[in-house]
Parts: sequence; structure tokens; C-alpha cells
Amino acid sequence: DAMVIQNPRYQVTQFGKPVTLSCSQTLNHNVMYWYQQKSSQAPKLLFHYYDKDFNNEADTPDNFQSRRPNTSFCFLDIRSPGLGDAAMYLCATRSGNTQYFGPGTRLTVL
Amino acid sequence: GDSVTQMEGPVTLSEEAFLTINCTYTATGYPSLFWYVQYPGEGLQLLLKATKADDKGSNKGFEATYRKETTSFHLEKGSVQVSDSAVYFCALSEANSGYALNFGKGTSLLVTP
Repeated sequence: DAMVIQNPRYQVTQFGKPVTLSCSQTLNHNVMYWYQQKSSQAPKLLFHYYDKDFNNEADTPDNFQSRRPNTSFCFLDIRSPGLGDAAMYLCATRSGNTQYFGPGTRLTVL
Repeated sequence: GDSVTQMEGPVTLSEEAFLTINCTYTATGYPSLFWYVQYPGEGLQLLLKATKADDKGSNKGFEATYRKETTSFHLEKGSVQVSDSAVYFCALSEANSGYALNFGKGTSLLVTP
């Protein structure tokens, strides 16, 4: 029944070691989003795809990259994680005006 | 620009109490309005939505009415349960910003037995 799937649910990486988070969807939605949510804060949009068109938010650090090889999958790459990148990373899809979120990946940076 | 303001938490209620979480917004156009709920350690779940003035969204006993005259979308539930303990986010989106969600800061609700 899961519609937006994120793996892994928990990821631990070391300071400066590249890490990739993945998201897949069974909804066949054109639009996919990546958000960063730090503790006790609202989610913050990092970037989104409309089909293969990539849209980066102006304040998203260069350290964050994304790939969308096909409609179903989207990846978030953090090239050199810092301690400040520890957060929950949420993937979402959109149909019409409504976004649907995955369960998130909790990233810990040691 | 667009923004969402919701009441500060945490809100602590006894089971079966009445819940109101206030949400007001500013927008340049005609936004759609949403309430999302986040349980501990989980992602966001869409609770309800409304897309035009006077629409009422409802789900699982929660309701919110899109009030254009007061630019508000307050969340209400007549009788809360312990299982309603979570963080509630009010949000808006507009077509002219690609339907990006603009969130309020979230309100933490704790319901005690």
C-alpha cells in the first residue's frame, strides 16, 4: 500500500563521507520534492522535479544534489555531509495541488 | 510573499477535550490550504485540505473551514484522543509558485488520558 517509499529509514554517515538517500513512488506522479526538516522545525524545500526538469531553491547549499533517473525514483546526494546536515529528509510527490509525503529518512552525521 | 502563522505550542489537553489550533495566512493569489500531521519519527500525512473559500475539509473527526474574509483555516476536533498526539502543520500552496508548500512552524499536541 505504500505510495511514497524512502530508504533507508535511518542512515548514519561520517562527517565528510558522501551519502545517498533514495525515494520511490508508485503513484506515477510527475512532480517530486525533497525537503529537509530539522528538529522542531517545519520542512524546508530543497528542490523539486517536474518530470526531468530540475528546480533548485535559491538557498539550497551546493553540497546537496539530486538525480531523477525515471518517474518512479529520485535520489538525494549529500557530497560532504557536515554536522549541520543532520536532519529528517522527506520526499514527496504531487498530484494536482496536493503533496504526498514518504515516511522520511533520519540522517545522523558523526 | 506568502506566509502561514499558526499558534505556538505545545498544546496539552485531556482526552475528550475540544481542540482548536489557529492558523492564519497571507497570500498574493488564491491559495489551497492544508493541514498535515506528523507523528513522532514519521513523515507528514495529509489530514485535510480546502481549495476555495468556504470549503470545509474534514477527516478522522478533524475539520477546518477556508475563511477568506479572515484569512484563516483553524483546525478543530470535538473530542481528542491520546492517539491524536502529534505535530500539526498548517500549509498553503499556490499555482503561481509551482504549488510549493509554505508551512507554518507546527503546533505540538499532547493528549493525556
